[in-house]
Amino acid sequence: AQTVTQSQPEMSVQEAETVTLSCTYDTSENNYYLFWYKQPPSRQMILVIRQEAYKQQNATENRFSVNFQKAAKSFSLKISDSQLGDTAMYFCASMNRDDKIIFGKGTRLHILP
Amino acid sequence: GAGVSQSPRYKVAKRGQDVALRCDPISGHVSLFWYQQALGQGPEFLTYFQNEAQLDKSGLPSDRFFAERPEGSVSTLKIQRTQQEDSAVYLCASSTRTGQIGNNEQFFGPGTRLTVL
Repeated sequence: AQTVTQSQPEMSVQEAETVTLSCTYDTSENNYYLFWYKQPPSRQMILVIRQEAYKQQNATENRFSVNFQKAAKSFSLKISDSQLGDTAMYFCASMNRDDKIIFGKGTRLHILP
Repeated sequence: GAGVSQSPRYKVAKRGQDVALRCDPISGHVSLFWYQQALGQGPEFLTYFQNEAQLDKSGLPSDRFFAERPEGSVSTLKIQRTQQEDSAVYLCASSTRTGQIGNNEQFFGPGTRLTVL
């Protein structure tokens, strides 16, 4: 069975700082995808970044990047130059070939002015 | 270019009432998913459709939960005899299906917040 664990329920950082959100996962599959989703108070789940397990290169999307450690089953999200609009819940998630997304419990991120 | 829409956005029900939650996926999306998100938790998978076929309903918590997608587009999640523990946000997502894992990005709707009193 797939599991996703986020050990940081809540974090706060100052605007313009860099913050790293942690995530570990477990799966018996060889081929899978990992995701970070952002959920602002509007509840709209927005895909931030995704990583294909068979790719060694860490994914990046503008200010967002991941540190994917496959052997350790670790998948952290780094947000550089954080902005007030980054304030939201962030969910780490995994997906096997059954297309079913398994989410972690989330990290509530506050960006302080 | 509308995204996934869900209605109603908010629903208050008395315990024991039946409710129906609607999801309009992105036009042309083959796959449709329902998730349940309890307060302070991550979403949990409920059920999955490919066109009109319900391929996986392993996440439905009880036989009071029923989902359908009769014409392969709009889907309805029905909850019979609602209980307080059914209070949650119900998220719908849709995706194209290329047959390749991970190419099927799921686009989420805004959810329906159900409160059972």
